[in-house]
Amino acid sequence: EAQVTQNPRYLITVTGKKLTVTCSQNMNHEYMSWYRQDPGLGLRQIYYSMNVEVTDKGDVPEGYKVSRKEKRNFPLILESPSPNQTSLYFCASRGYGGRRTDTQYFGPGTRLTVL
Amino acid sequence: GENVEQHPSTLSVQEGDSAVIKCTYSDSASNYFPWYKQELGKGPQLIIDIRSNVGEKKDQRIAVTLNKTAKHFSLHITETQPEDSAVYFCAASDADYKLSFGAGTTVTVRA
Repeated sequence: EAQVTQNPRYLITVTGKKLTVTCSQNMNHEYMSWYRQDPGLGLRQIYYSMNVEVTDKGDVPEGYKVSRKEKRNFPLILESPSPNQTSLYFCASRGYGGRRTDTQYFGPGTRLTVL
Repeated sequence: GENVEQHPSTLSVQEGDSAVIKCTYSDSASNYFPWYKQELGKGPQLIIDIRSNVGEKKDQRIAVTLNKTAKHFSLHITETQPEDSAVYFCAASDADYKLSFGAGTTVTVRA
């Protein structure tokens, strides 16, 4: 089954304690992306990756890091989480398939609370 | 960059009635316009999309229209059912594969 998986699904942590949210896709997609969803703001892109070892900032990258060492994985790293990073996070992937308009698939989400 | 505005933010309809959600975009280079449905506790799922060479697309009770001149596109849901209750997002894609999303519309279908 084609899917994007994220772990953990729920996480409560404290300010300053480094954490990593993992993301994996099994569709051999080149493009992967992280979003955060906040009430009234929709989905805002944090970072994206066009392919292995190619990453770039999205609209709200401050306080986040990513890496893309393998095609299937795209972890999101919060080096020193702060309460304003409390949010619902989604990983997504998208193939090129010769067209830039291929379907983007989302993971189930990770609800993060930073105390 | 692309800016997508979505209206209304909430929409309540009687079961069986139609629901319409409207979005505008700013970048005339955008050429792909998907709509996503997000049910409680789940990630967004694509329900329909339209590309810039098409003005209208229909899939059963769902239709999307695109007006490139005015830079707006709309989602139409006919004969609404309780399972249509969800948050709906519009999005626009520009030349570098990035999807820019609207703020979302919470649709409630009253039985």
